[in-house]
Amino acid sequence: AQSVTQLGSHVSVSEGALVLLRCNYSSSVPPYLFWYVQYPNQGLQLLLKYTSAATLVKGINGFEAEFKKSETSFHLTKPSAHMSDAAEYFCAVSSTGFQKLVFGTGTRLLVSP
Amino acid sequence: GAVVSQHPSWVICKSGTSVKIECRSLDFQATTMFWYRQFPKQSLMLMATSNEGSKATYEQGVEKDKFLINHASLTLSTLTVTSAHPEDSSFYICSARGAGLFGEQFFGPGTRLTVL
Repeated sequence: AQSVTQLGSHVSVSEGALVLLRCNYSSSVPPYLFWYVQYPNQGLQLLLKYTSAATLVKGINGFEAEFKKSETSFHLTKPSAHMSDAAEYFCAVSSTGFQKLVFGTGTRLLVSP
Repeated sequence: GAVVSQHPSWVICKSGTSVKIECRSLDFQATTMFWYRQFPKQSLMLMATSNEGSKATYEQGVEKDKFLINHASLTLSTLTVTSAHPEDSSFYICSARGAGLFGEQFFGPGTRLTVL
């Protein structure tokens, strides 16, 4: 069975500060890993995905994530937060690409001026 | 990315009635659609997977007779909550994907169901 743990239901940063959202996974097979963002009243949008190629994955809106097998982690980072980054972020794992995703509980990112 | 819509976005019904939620892929053909349920402060839980023209595959613990899923066309899937009860109140989210292992899932905005 696969699972995802997102540490921190809420993360608060100041505009311009580093964003770090944590995700640890559990998987008995090589995982595919994803980060999604959800803005109010909108569907989840794919930020980036890891599919066993490069361990450092760059996504949209300046976000990136690094796959660390030894730490079973896939943390999401962005060097400088913008107000528009305030949203809910979900980490997900799969053993079959996009076919069946297992989601974490989400982290709400709050950005203050 | 592709657009997936859900209708209605919010519904309130009385206990014992049935409610139908629609999920549409607006600009692509969805060979597979997924239905998720999300409780407050919890993750999205996959309820079922449906392929166009075939019966849905339900996850363990999901009552297929209560949550009826129909995927009659490549752009439309429906979820019917039959004989709804207050414990069925939740946020229901659908997603749709095209063909291929890495056909990305595109998510709808969700439907809030409240059963009184």
